[in-house]
This record gives sequence, structure tokens and C-alpha cells, in this order.
Amino acid sequence: NAGVTQTPKFRILKIGQSMTLQCTQDMNHNYMYWYRQDPGMGLKLIYYSVGAGITDKGEVPNGYNVSRSTTEDFPLRLELAAPSQTSVYFCASSPLGREGQPQHFGDGTRLSIL
Amino acid sequence: DQQVKQNSPSLSVQEGRISILNCDYTNSMFDYFLWYKKYPAEGPTFLISISSIKDKNEDGRFTVFLNKSAKHLSLHIVPSQPGDSAVYFCAASGGSNYKLTFGKGTLLTVNP
Repeated sequence: NAGVTQTPKFRILKIGQSMTLQCTQDMNHNYMYWYRQDPGMGLKLIYYSVGAGITDKGEVPNGYNVSRSTTEDFPLRLELAAPSQTSVYFCASSPLGREGQPQHFGDGTRLSIL
Repeated sequence: DQQVKQNSPSLSVQEGRISILNCDYTNSMFDYFLWYKKYPAEGPTFLISISSIKDKNEDGRFTVFLNKSAKHLSLHIVPSQPGDSAVYFCAASGGSNYKLTFGKGTLLTVNP
């Protein structure tokens, strides 16, 4: 069982470039989340989705976009990369956003903007 | 404004001893608390959780204690093992959407 899979694992972008971070889960979870973790900091929620076709902003959504066309996939789009977006990005999923059903995380994408 | 605080960036203990990791929160709406463990180059993995209706939850070597009046929770690991060396994140949620708010983490090192 693969769980939550994120690709790529590492990427270096130039300022102003765009890219999509991929996230897919094979657990048929309804809820999916994108977080970023900056050095020495906790994870901060960027966007989340409660099901296909439904997305909502988290704590730090500026500079990012998401879509959820299927239950399995929840890609994160950076349109105009900025140095402030250098971070490690984690995707997570959970069966329902409910107590007793913790989020399962992927192994992250380490992104550097130069 | 940090709503979940882990004031100790690091903790070092000897193998076999107890490890106590602490977490404070400020938002009274939080009613569900979790601990995640993270190894380098991996994603966080769920460890243990506790609902605000309880004051203790135990799972093997791991116990979480919740003091609602003090807005404080702690994770006890007994006995500590070298494989427990990792970053531990405290997280909290409240309301209907179960979004998590994370602390900055505590790096636990268990020395053989």
C-alpha cells in the first residue's frame, strides 16, 4: 500500500518559473491537505480539500493554486516562483476530517527557488 | 501569533529513561490534539492523539496527558529507545473541518 505519494522529491526553480507539485493517495480518503514547512518551523496549511471539486484556503495560500478533479489527486501549482516559496512541501490525506482519523503524510517535496 | 507552542527546540535523554515533551496552546476552541513523529527526509507519522474529553491516553510506551485548565499537553515515552530519536510535532484542531495547527517541533535525541 503506497499511501500518499509526492513527486518530485527535489526541485530547483528559477524566480518566475512555474511548476506543479503532484500528490496522489490510494487510500480513498476524502480529505487532502497541502502544508509547507520552513526551517525551524512547524507545518503551515496552504490549501485543503474535503472532496473532489471542493477546495479551500488554509493559513498561507498566497502564491499557490490547487485543484481536485479526482479523489486520488491533489496537485499544488506555483505560478510565479519566488524565493519566499523555498520550503519543504507535504501533502496529507485523511478518511474524513474527524477525530480518530489522523492525517497521513507523504515524504515531501524539497523546493528551492533561486 | 503562535497558537501551538513547543518551547523546547531539543531534548536529550539516555536510553531507558523517560522522555517528556511538552506543548502549550492558546486557542480555547481546540478540542483534539495529536503528536506526530518525523524522521529526516520523511513525512510526519501519526503517533498518538487525545480528545479534550479525556486527560490521558496511552499506547504502549507512549502516553499523552492533557491539562485543559492549563492549556498544556505532554507526551511521555517510557522507556526511551534510540529509535525514538526524531522531531516530535504537537498539533491541535477544533471545529468541524479538523484543520491542524502545528507547533514548531522538538528534536528528541535518545543516547545509547
